[in-house]
Amino acid sequence: ETGVTQSPTHLIKTRGQQVTLRCSSQSGHNTVSWYQQALGQGPQFIFQYYREEENGRGNFPPRFSGLQFPNYSSELNVNALELDDSALYLCASSLGGENPTDTQYFGPGTRLTVL
Amino acid sequence: AQSVTQLGSHVSVSEGALVLLRCNYSSSVPPYLFWYVQYPNQGLQLLLKYTSAATLVKGINGFEAEFKKSETSFHLTKPSAHMSDAAEYFCAVSVGTAGNKLTFGGGTRVLVKP
Repeated sequence: ETGVTQSPTHLIKTRGQQVTLRCSSQSGHNTVSWYQQALGQGPQFIFQYYREEENGRGNFPPRFSGLQFPNYSSELNVNALELDDSALYLCASSLGGENPTDTQYFGPGTRLTVL
Repeated sequence: AQSVTQLGSHVSVSEGALVLLRCNYSSSVPPYLFWYVQYPNQGLQLLLKYTSAATLVKGINGFEAEFKKSETSFHLTKPSAHMSDAAEYFCAVSVGTAGNKLTFGGGTRVLVKP
């Protein structure tokens, strides 16, 4: 069974640029959630996709957007990058997004540095 | 809205000693609670979760946690620390109205001394 994978591992961008991060969910999972983990802090929920539809969003501006594809993989796009966007971005997949006890399985993350 | 507070951003324990990590939550509806561990340069791995079936929950690697509604707590313990327990630990909450979206605490970094 393949776990959650993310690409790239590391990324360096400059302010104002745009970035796309990718996530492949665990086999059989139809829900993907994205989290931002700033240095020294806990992860913060960005948004969740369930069967290709956005299924909830945290307190992040519209320049954070996402997609989920028919194979349930997902992308996180961030436009107009700011220095504060520097963080570890974590993707997590689960069997379904409606059950609050469903376990989320996390990928290793993408480390984004904005200069 | 729900929130999680982890007391102590850093904890140092001796190998073989008790590990106790504190987590308190705030929620207006019944919560479901999780403990995750994060090793350096890795994602988060689930240690255990409380789903209302039993208040004492046993997890992987010898960890357990007890849900105490009266204290709004879900502290994590392990009787005897191993060097391999050195990592960062996160407590998280989800609530029925928001599906399985997680709200995390700030984390506790555990250092194990030989």
